[in-house]
This record gives sequence, C-alpha cells and structure tokens, in this order.
Amino acid sequence: NAGVTQTPKFRILKIGQSMTLQCTQDMNHNYMYWYRQDPGMGLKLIYYSVGAGITDKGEVPNGYNVSRSTTEDFPLRLELAAPSQTSVYFCASSYSNTGSNQPQHFGDGTRLSIL
Amino acid sequence: AQTVTQSQPEMSVQEAETVTLSCTYDTSENNYYLFWYKQPPSRQMILVIRQEAYKQQNATENRFSVNFQKAAKSFSLKISDSQLGDTAMYFCAFMTLYSSASKIIFGSGTRLSIRP
Repeated sequence: NAGVTQTPKFRILKIGQSMTLQCTQDMNHNYMYWYRQDPGMGLKLIYYSVGAGITDKGEVPNGYNVSRSTTEDFPLRLELAAPSQTSVYFCASSYSNTGSNQPQHFGDGTRLSIL
Repeated sequence: AQTVTQSQPEMSVQEAETVTLSCTYDTSENNYYLFWYKQPPSRQMILVIRQEAYKQQNATENRFSVNFQKAAKSFSLKISDSQLGDTAMYFCAFMTLYSSASKIIFGSGTRLSIRP
C-alpha cells in the first residue's frame, strides 16, 4: 500500500547544482503533479502529466523540467539550483483530473534548501 | 482567474470546542469543486471534505461540515468536538468541474492549534 513515494525527504544543494526529485506511484494513476509549498503559502503547481509521454506546465514551471517515461514515475529536475527554489516539494497523483475523482494522493514531500 | 483567500493565518481553540475556518473564492465559473485539505506536522496532505457547487446541500464528514454560500462565494469549514489530532494546517482549494488544465488552486492556509 505504498501510494505516492518521494525521495529524498531532505536535501541541501549549493547554488548552481542540479538534482532530480523522484516520484513513484503504484496506483496506476494517469495524472501526476508536482507542487511546491513555500513557507506560509498554499501549494503551487509546477508541472503536471496526464499520462506517459505527456507533460505540461503549471503555474510556476521556470527553473524546472519533468519527464514521464512510464505511468509510475514522474521525476522533477532542477538544472541550476537557485535560492528561490528553497521550498517543500510535493508529488501527487490522481486517476483523472475531474473534481469527482479527487482526492489527489500526495507524497510526504521533499524539503529542499538551496544555499 | 480564480483565487482562493483564507483570511485567518492562525487559530487556536480548546479541545472539544467547535471552530470555524473561513474561505472565500473568486471565479466566473458556475460549476466547480471546493475542498478542504488538512496538512498535519507529518506534511501529508489529506482531503477532509469536498463540495460540488451544483449541490445545495452542505457536505458533512463526521465531525467536519461546511457552510457553502455560492452567491457569497464563501466556503467555511466547521470542526465540531475538536480533538488534539485536528492540529494541522488547513487549506481551502478550488477546482473547475472540467479542468483541462488540471489545476487545483490552493489558499494560503490556516494553522489550527487544538489546546488540551
């Protein structure tokens, strides 16, 4: 009963470094999402995917890239880490994108600090 | 553009009391969904309750109920008989009925503390 699994849980990066946040779901969901949550704020959508091979930008995509080669995996890539990307990142998945098929299932989050 | 506003950054009540969290939203859509999500210190996002805008009856889930006022664009969450485990951040969220852009818009959250 794993649900949505994110790794790592914590990471500290130096400015300019790159890294990939991993996200895997075992519920055979078509839709997957990446959000960031800044202190005292709600979640903002970075990228989402409606199925393998299909991705699209959300509200705050700059500085990030994604890929969706399989239904299960949806990694988020930071190419040149900047202090503004310090945040908690959440991956989520859902069977479809209609409101009747919520909730989205969320991972436990990755706390990322850029120093 | 849709917006979701939570005007109470923090609230604190005694255990067993009733508390109401406020949420207002702005949209030109007529059909949509509204949600309350709970985020405990573990950071896991948990759906508490969902309301379809076309339903006049307010949604209820055990101790959690909403007061949905469509004309006023208001969607408050009432927690009855509050428990220590209700301590968490609570996010109000909005989603259009058929959202091709697949976006849920979240409010900034209300931090709720339940005192023993």
